[in-house]
Amino acid sequence: DAKTTQPNSMESNEEEPVHLPCNHSTISGTDYIHWYRQLPSQGPEYVIHGLTSNVNNRMASLAIAEDRKSSTLILHRATLRDAAVYYCILRDINTNAGKSTFGDGTTLTVKP
Amino acid sequence: DAGITQSPRYKITETGRQVTLMCHQTWSHSYMFWYRQDLGHGLRLIYYSAAADITDKGEVPDGYVVSRSKTENFPLTLESATRSQTSVYFCASRRGLEQFFGPGTRLTVL
Repeated sequence: DAKTTQPNSMESNEEEPVHLPCNHSTISGTDYIHWYRQLPSQGPEYVIHGLTSNVNNRMASLAIAEDRKSSTLILHRATLRDAAVYYCILRDINTNAGKSTFGDGTTLTVKP
Repeated sequence: DAGITQSPRYKITETGRQVTLMCHQTWSHSYMFWYRQDLGHGLRLIYYSAAADITDKGEVPDGYVVSRSKTENFPLTLESATRSQTSVYFCASRRGLEQFFGPGTRLTVL
């Protein structure tokens, strides 16, 4: 699976939008972009995934660049419970497995 | 309740001892995974399984053994524990493109 690059940490104020960037310049045409987050002392949880088009769900939105070499996870109104490590991962649909390793992710701090 | 459970949640052992971490899922998902997470870092894949009796190595398999005789169970064994295997271990299953993770087992090797 191709690699991703994320900032080590970001800060946000409560109830403000947060944009978490991810670079994946070596992404292939069959790589899906996945986001997971890990709350303190818990296992990771799925947030969202996409291939080419922007995606929305109840947790977040995923904006994918037209060339697919970068993406942004958008939390529309950050809450204190959104403080977590956010992981951006690429997964090739053809390999049919979750073989990708999670990088160090972005630690999001939300200030009240 | 449906989901993934791991046991034990905490384990302290000594160098050279054999340790088995248990993972159980109630969904009958085909794919299951074991990851380790060292302090302050992301998750690294140890082993994964596509189905019962089918397993394959991940990024860091050395020192670990897995088996999967039943779809719902995926135990991870450290045959001779070393201090470098002190870590938090996460089990996961997969449905479609989404992974579901257990709560983790914190293992300390003295």
